[in-house]
Amino acid sequence: RKEVEQDPGPFNVPEGATVAFNCTYSNSASQSFFWYRQDCRKEPKLLMSVYSSGNEDGRFTAQLNRASQYISLLIRDSKLSDSATYLCVAAAALYNTNAGKSTFGDGTTLTVKP
Amino acid sequence: DAGVTQSPTHLIKTRGQQVTLRCSPKSGHDTVSWYQQALGQGPQFIFQYYEEEERQRGNFPDRFSGHQFPNYSSELNVNALLLGDSALYLCASSFGQLYIYGYTFGSGTRLTVV
Repeated sequence: RKEVEQDPGPFNVPEGATVAFNCTYSNSASQSFFWYRQDCRKEPKLLMSVYSSGNEDGRFTAQLNRASQYISLLIRDSKLSDSATYLCVAAAALYNTNAGKSTFGDGTTLTVKP
Repeated sequence: DAGVTQSPTHLIKTRGQQVTLRCSPKSGHDTVSWYQQALGQGPQFIFQYYEEEERQRGNFPDRFSGHQFPNYSSELNVNALLLGDSALYLCASSFGQLYIYGYTFGSGTRLTVV
């Protein structure tokens, strides 16, 4: 079983739709969590950090559930430009033996259509 | 403010050869992590360098080695190349091991082993 698991999709949605991605992590010692966006044949770019209290950045909302060990990303009012692969990341706690290691999921592909 | 720079951008090597990839971190960053990304998969952690030492290592054989220089730049060396080493190699920089703010990635080196 992979340490970080994501539904690979693809998710095909019309413009304006709301779409949600989930991600589960198996290492309970993970401390920091992130969502990255990766366009085709490009490098990943940080989309947002994920906090237990939940955080929002414009149309994007991220949530962390430590008890269930899952992370979510909600995209509202989808735009054509949101089409990309979204990568979930769990990072080891600072004082964990794996401190310094961030584990990526394989990504969820989103296609937003006109 | 320069981002993360990697060189070369593309490389073709023959099985059994050796390769060196280079990375300069973002200005102000002192930690470099290397990832391997195969097609259709998420980035896989190779190792992380901080204060010129390898601090963490993923599940990669000893054929993969690295170095960090006093100016924080880094090299990734792969010996005895296998066909399966063909992938996008990504360098990610951060400030210290406090990666709570996430990584900044370079655009990667696409390695093809024939």
